[in-house]
Amino acid sequence: AQSVSQHNHHVILSEAASLELGCNYSYGGTVNLFWYVQYPGQHLQLLLKYFSGDPLVKGIKGFEAEFIKSKFSFNLRKPSVQWSDTAEYFCAVYINAGKSTFGDGTTLTVKP
Amino acid sequence: EAEVAQSPRYKITEKSQAVAFWCDPISGHATLYWYRQILGQGPELLVQFQDESVVDDSQLPKDRFSAERLKGVDSTLKIQPAELGDSAMYLCASSVGVSGTFGSEAFFGQGTRLTVV
Repeated sequence: AQSVSQHNHHVILSEAASLELGCNYSYGGTVNLFWYVQYPGQHLQLLLKYFSGDPLVKGIKGFEAEFIKSKFSFNLRKPSVQWSDTAEYFCAVYINAGKSTFGDGTTLTVKP
Repeated sequence: EAEVAQSPRYKITEKSQAVAFWCDPISGHATLYWYRQILGQGPELLVQFQDESVVDDSQLPKDRFSAERLKGVDSTLKIQPAELGDSAMYLCASSVGVSGTFGSEAFFGQGTRLTVV
């Protein structure tokens, strides 16, 4: 069975700092990769997704992620975080027919 | 903006009692998902519907959990009897097609926070 590992449980940054959240998965076949975000008091929403093609994908609010197949990784990045990026971030792997596995999430706190 | 509606938002129940959660997906979304999210963990898929048919319930504890989507629109998830370990957030999500496939993404509701005492 596939698994998803998010290495950082809690990240604390100051505004304008750069962000990189790690996501590694274990599955040998074709995968589709997602990052979801949950802002305080809100529901999970899609940040970005990768299906095929350019391994560098751009999402909303200046986020991007790079798929490195050889490393089974899909790390999330943002060059300069804002206080409003404070949220919980989930990496998810989808294999066939909607079968999904989510990581345990990373809580990001951005200090003003 | 269309949303996935869930009720109730919060539910406290005693162990061994029955409890039910309701979900109304975004109109036109054929696929509906129920997830369970334990504090500190990511969502875990319990059951997936395509229209009114269950396509995946491999992680659903069928001795106490049941789910239905009779007319292929809204859905109910039931637990009977509830156990202390069932305390969690129960999330409903929907997508136009099969989530995770090209062109389709899952939209999540606010969830129901269940506390079993």
